[in-house]
Amino acid sequence: QVQLQESGPGLVKPSQTLSLTCTVSGGSMNSGSYFWSWIRQPAGKGLEFIGRVYNSGSTNYNPSLKSRVTISVDTSKNQFSLKLNSVTAADTAVYYCASGWSTFDYWGQGALVTVSS
Amino acid sequence: ETVLTQSPGTLSLSPGERATLSCRASQSISGTDFAWYQQRPGQAPRLLIFGASSRATGIPDRFGGSGSGTDFTLTISRLEPEDFAIYYCQQYGTSPWTFGQGTKVEVK
Repeated sequence: QVQLQESGPGLVKPSQTLSLTCTVSGGSMNSGSYFWSWIRQPAGKGLEFIGRVYNSGSTNYNPSLKSRVTISVDTSKNQFSLKLNSVTAADTAVYYCASGWSTFDYWGQGALVTVSS
Repeated sequence: ETVLTQSPGTLSLSPGERATLSCRASQSISGTDFAWYQQRPGQAPRLLIFGASSRATGIPDRFGGSGSGTDFTLTISRLEPEDFAIYYCQQYGTSPWTFGQGTKVEVK
């Protein structure tokens, strides 16, 4: 079974870049037909799809964040990554990595990222 | 984007009772590209239902999904203590994928 684990700084200064990595275990990222996605959830609020990447590197982003987001994949390391630039306090949230073809079948435990000076 | 509106916001029920959660889409969902997730406090969401009515692996049969077009329903036939949680609907028929705001099922 696929397992996912987010890692990265828990505190980012305003206007800087948020960077997170998701490490995949339980199988090779190339062994199945999955999209690798990022989703976030501000405290006490709902879920927001950020974007996803396929093994080939092709991506889909939420238009509301597209200008600031880059999602990339490194199948040799079994990892995929999120970069969100020009962050503000509104980007403070728990960030989840997830995988699946259409639905989000597997989830990481989540990483809290706080944007504050 | 497709906006999903869930109702009610909070459902207060007792263990053993039946729960009916609704989700309405701002535009018709392609096919049955619709899912439900459960989120317990401090945990990541868990996929319950995909394709509007198919249970994900390991999901008990007390969970059932139905609907098409713009109106979808999640039913929990008899609430168990572990079912008190927040439930989110999600559509994956139109990019960007979107979620509802959630329905909290709490103990009455």
